[in-house]
Formats: sequence, structure tokens, C-alpha cells
Amino acid sequence: DAKTTQPPSMDCAEGRAANLPCNHSTISGNEYVYWYRQIHSQGPQYIIHGLKNNETNEMASLIITEDRKSSTLILPHATLRDTAVYYCIVRLNSGYALNFGKGTSLLVTP
Amino acid sequence: EAQVTQNPRYLITVTGKKLTVTCSQNMNHEYMSWYRQDPGLGLRQIYYSMNVEVTDKGDVPEGYKVSRKEKRNFPLILESPSPNQTSLYFCASKTGGQGGETDTQYFGPGTRLTVL
Repeated sequence: DAKTTQPPSMDCAEGRAANLPCNHSTISGNEYVYWYRQIHSQGPQYIIHGLKNNETNEMASLIITEDRKSSTLILPHATLRDTAVYYCIVRLNSGYALNFGKGTSLLVTP
Repeated sequence: EAQVTQNPRYLITVTGKKLTVTCSQNMNHEYMSWYRQDPGLGLRQIYYSMNVEVTDKGDVPEGYKVSRKEKRNFPLILESPSPNQTSLYFCASKTGGQGGETDTQYFGPGTRLTVL
């Protein structure tokens, strides 16, 4: 299975861009990169996904390198409500289970 | 509004007293799943269902049962709860199929269960 590596924690000042990196060097050609987040004890929330091209939606932007071995989730103007654990996922288990791993704990400070 | 709902949100019970946690989705999704989340262990899948009357075990199925009689509902049943089932439980759903656009999963708000 494609594994992901994320920094355990990051800080970001409110109003600044938060750039969360993810390494997935063993990703296969047809595997998408998905990002979810979990605000303390709430249900995980889908953010964005992509295959090759950069993607943007109302929540975030996803930048995938040309070799697809890494990606960056960008929250353009972080708010205090963006404080959460962010998970980068590139492979489902046989039961379609999401491998959340440990993710990156993002703390947005005033 | 598209959503996954769970009930109850909080439950304190005693060992051996059967309980059911309900999960319902209004997105006509084929796939539904239950996870439990424990400190240091992350989210682990308990059971999943590909469609009505089709269920299968996830990574930690012991002590749990599920049923899928209707597409929108996927209840989690604890026939004889034990303290080691104290956890935060999440239900999730997605459209059928695997790969690409179909892998976006939607989660319920969670049920915090305490078994004394």
C-alpha cells in the first residue's frame, strides 16, 4: 500500500496561508491523493482530492508535484476554526477503509 | 442537506446491556462503514457494507454486529458491551465503486460510548 509521511505538527498564524506537506513516494499511477481533517472529536471531514493536476475548491488548494511523490495542501487564509488534524490518504484498504495514519496537527494561533 | 446522522451522540451503559447505535445517510450511498477511534490507535474500521444485505468485517469486528436491511441505514449492534468497547464511533458513507472520484467518504458526527 502507498504510505504517506506527514509532519506531526505545524503552527500557523491566523490569516496566513497554511501549507501542509505530504510525501507519498510509492503512490501508483491511478491512485488519488485525498485530504481529510478532523476537528477535535468531530467526524472526519473531506477537504479535497486530486490525481495529477492542481485542484482548488472553496476550502483549500492541492498542489501535486509532477512526479506525484508529494503534495501540499494549502489553506490560503487560515482561521482559528482550521485548527485540526489533517490527514493525507492515498490508498484504501480492501474494505474501502481510509488509512488515516497520524496526520498533521495544525494549530492556528491569533 | 446531505448528511450522515448518528444516534445517540453520547451513551453511558453497563457491561452486558445490549445497545444499538443507529446510522442513517440521505445521499443514496451504496457503501457504509463503521469506525472506532481510540487515543494512540487512530481510526479503525469495524464493519462495512457494499450495499443492502451485503456486509463484511473490517479490522476490529469482535464484539460487534451490523445489519443493512435498507440502503440508508446501517446500525451498529453491541450484543454484550464490555469496557474495552468504550470509544468514539463514527459512521461513514460513500457512493459505490472504487477509485478516483468515488472514494470521497462522508462521516457522521460521532457517538461517544462509555461502558462501565
